[in-house]
Amino acid sequence: DTGVSQNPRHKITKRGQNVTFRCDPISEHNRLYWYRQTLGQGPEFLTYFQNEAQLEKSRLLSDRFSAERPKGSFSTLEIQRTEQGDSAMYLCASSLGKGSGEQYFGPGTRLTVT
Amino acid sequence: AQKVTQAQTEISVVEKEDVTLDCVYETRDTTYYLFWYKQPPSGELVFLIRRNSFDEQNEISGRYSWNFQKSTSSFNFTITASQVVDSAVYFCALSEAWSGYSTLTFGKGTMLLVSP
Repeated sequence: DTGVSQNPRHKITKRGQNVTFRCDPISEHNRLYWYRQTLGQGPEFLTYFQNEAQLEKSRLLSDRFSAERPKGSFSTLEIQRTEQGDSAMYLCASSLGKGSGEQYFGPGTRLTVT
Repeated sequence: AQKVTQAQTEISVVEKEDVTLDCVYETRDTTYYLFWYKQPPSGELVFLIRRNSFDEQNEISGRYSWNFQKSTSSFNFTITASQVVDSAVYFCALSEAWSGYSTLTFGKGTMLLVSP
């Protein structure tokens, strides 16, 4: 069991550019979650997938954000036309079962928009 | 209104002291889950415990113990004989039935600093 992995670990981009992050969950986990964490705050839920279906999206997920999990395995989170306010740590987590199980988090991708 | 409140922003203790981290939550659900996570300086959130709303038994795991009281909507976390390696930010989180337990709502965290 290799845990949840995320790539890249750090991303610096200029305002207006598009960025894409990847998350590989624990292999047998059917649920995958994306969270955003800013300095001094707890993680905030963005969206989650059960297998390949995206079942819920937070109001935080503006139209510039899109997430996919095409084969029910890895997931990507894309941010289009990045803004300085998008600077944050983007965390991915996965869990097994119908949702009451604990979520295991990856190391995160730190995005800095200049 | 915040659903999960961790009123202590930062706590500093000396090694071997006991320390309690407070967590107060708010929910309309009768079925829910509460969690504690640890976020060390490396940044990766580490799962510590999950407790469902029907199980009010206190739990002890080594130097860690948790006190769940539905009457006061609290789920406090105590570290006994703290060590420098306990230094981290600790988050309390809530998962509710209405969302299909799909989301974790986190508090703002308590930073624990344990000095030698």
